[in-house]
Amino acid sequence: AQTVTQSQPEMSVQEAETVTLSCTYDTSESDYYLFWYKQPPSRQMILVIRQEAYKQQNATENRFSVNFQKAAKSFSLKISDSQLGDAAMYFCAYCTGTASKLTFGTGTRLQVTL
Amino acid sequence: DTGVSQNPRHKITKRGQNVTFRCDPISEHNRLYWYRQTLGQGPEFLTYFQNEAQLEKSRLLSDRFSAERPKGSFSTLEIQRTEQGDSAMYLCASSLGNHRDEEQYFGPGTRLTVT
Repeated sequence: AQTVTQSQPEMSVQEAETVTLSCTYDTSESDYYLFWYKQPPSRQMILVIRQEAYKQQNATENRFSVNFQKAAKSFSLKISDSQLGDAAMYFCAYCTGTASKLTFGTGTRLQVTL
Repeated sequence: DTGVSQNPRHKITKRGQNVTFRCDPISEHNRLYWYRQTLGQGPEFLTYFQNEAQLEKSRLLSDRFSAERPKGSFSTLEIQRTEQGDSAMYLCASSLGNHRDEEQYFGPGTRLTVT
């Protein structure tokens, strides 16, 4: 079975600084996709960034980028120039190429301080 | 479009009662998903639909749970004979249904409390 592990229950970063959230996953599939979702307090979950496993180039979306290490099965999220609005739960998620369902990690709560 | 909506937002029920939740996806989305999220955990997949067809169900979905999407638009999730362990946030998500890696758009969830 596929599993997603987020080993950092909570992280804190100062405004304008950079923070990296860790995620590892376990799969025997060769075709899969990885995602980071953000869940702000009492608000809907939204997609932050996605990565196709067959692509070697790391995905980037504005201040958000990933470090995808396929051999190590690692998929970390880097947030640059952190803003107060980045405070949220961040979930790493996985889906295989043959199914649409997402498998989520347990999440990392990110606090952004002044 | 206003996004994925779910009703009710909160539901408190007594153990043994039946409850039904509704999800209205984004109008042109063919895929609809149900997830359950307990405190301190990530969402867990329950089931998903492609149009009106229910294509996959998790082992988490016991025989007390049933989901429908009768006309390929809104969906309902019913829990019969609720148990305290059913207390959770029930999330609905939808996607276009064209690509395997496409974004899923989540609703605000229905928080169920079983007393």
